[in-house]
Amino acid sequence: GQSLEQPSEVTAVEGAIVQINCTYQTSGFYGLSWYQQHDGGAPTFLSYNALDGLEETGRFSSFLSRSDSYGYLLLQELQMKDSASYFCAVRDPNQAGTALIFGKGTTLSVSS
Amino acid sequence: DAGVIQSPRHEVTEMGQEVTLRCKPISGHDYLFWYRQTMMRGLELLIYFNNNVPIDDSGMPEDRFSAKMPNASFSTLKIQPSEPRDSAVYFCASSDSHIGHSYEQYFGPGTRLTVT
Repeated sequence: GQSLEQPSEVTAVEGAIVQINCTYQTSGFYGLSWYQQHDGGAPTFLSYNALDGLEETGRFSSFLSRSDSYGYLLLQELQMKDSASYFCAVRDPNQAGTALIFGKGTTLSVSS
Repeated sequence: DAGVIQSPRHEVTEMGQEVTLRCKPISGHDYLFWYRQTMMRGLELLIYFNNNVPIDDSGMPEDRFSAKMPNASFSTLKIQPSEPRDSAVYFCASSDSHIGHSYEQYFGPGTRLTVT
């Protein structure tokens, strides 16, 4: 089957850097996505990696190593508003379309 | 575009009652997804549609759950009869398979369902 593993909780202080890891096990692979969800809100798309390497978007970066079935989301210059849950997701290889399988999520708490 | 629209935002009902959740996807998107989110089980895919046709409903927990998409701009998720364990946040999401390869999904604000 397909599975994604990520830490359940991470804590950090404002201005720090935090890395949220994700390891996946899938029978086929089409890229790793990251979504952010604030408490009481809806998941929103952050980034997508199809190839190995680092993708940078402002304070957030996402990394992928297909040979290690591993990726991470890097958040720099943390702000209080970054407190949220972060989900990694892969496309379901058993589905013809764009269905995603989500990890259980990592709750990031940023303190001052 | 207004994004994905869901209604109602909150629903409180008694066990045994029928519940209907509604979703309007982003115009032009060809995929529509229904998810359920709970603390215990996380974000679960219930069913999804491509061009209004149900593709996979293996995530639908029981026959009490049903979903329809009569046209490209409207979908419903119905629970009949509802049970307390159905209490969760139900999200609708849509995506456009013709844009890039990220398969980015746009989520609605969700419907928080409480069954007493």
